[in-house]
Amino acid sequence: EAGVTQFPSHSVIEKGQTVTLRCDPISGHDNLYWYRRVMGKEIKFLLHFVKESKQDESGMPNNRFLAERTGGTYSTLKVQPAELEDSGVYFCASSQVSSTIVETQYFGPGTRLLVL
Amino acid sequence: AQSVAQPEDQVNVAEGNPLTVKCTYSVSGNPYLFWYVQYPNRGLQFLLKYITGDNLVKGSYGFEAEFNKSQTSFHLKKPSALVSDSALYFCAVRDDTGFQKLVFGTGTRLLVSP
Repeated sequence: EAGVTQFPSHSVIEKGQTVTLRCDPISGHDNLYWYRRVMGKEIKFLLHFVKESKQDESGMPNNRFLAERTGGTYSTLKVQPAELEDSGVYFCASSQVSSTIVETQYFGPGTRLLVL
Repeated sequence: AQSVAQPEDQVNVAEGNPLTVKCTYSVSGNPYLFWYVQYPNRGLQFLLKYITGDNLVKGSYGFEAEFNKSQTSFHLKKPSALVSDSALYFCAVRDDTGFQKLVFGTGTRLLVSP
């Protein structure tokens, strides 16, 4: 079974440019999460989709970040325009939906974003 | 608000010795606790989780963690460290009050020397 995949693995852009990150969850996982780790700090939650609906977007830093999950499959996270402080590693995770168990979130390899 | 503390930035241990990576947490409801590991140039890999029941949880690669409610701790342990265990370890928590997001600590780098 394929794991969570993310594209690209690395991205280097200039301040003010736009970048779009993609995440493909594990097949059958309706929960999809985005997290971010800024250099040396904790991994912080950005948002949570259940299928195509945003369940919790309390971690989105500002309106320069736009996340979508069309059709409830893959998700994209667009940063426009990018600022220096957006640099970090962006992780995507997915899990099954369950009303009876606490599901495990499985993470992708991350996208390392550097804004110059 | 939920929070996780990993008080050690780095833990050094010799191969064959026992290791402990510390984690304490704060939640408003009942805690669900997780350990993840990140090897160099890799993503986060799930090691183990505590939901309820036995306070000693066994996970992947010979790791285990002990849940202590009175001390609000969930320390990661392994009886005999391997050089290949060298990696970055993250503790995470969520509670049972609704939202499923994980709150992570800052990570602890484990360095196992030959």
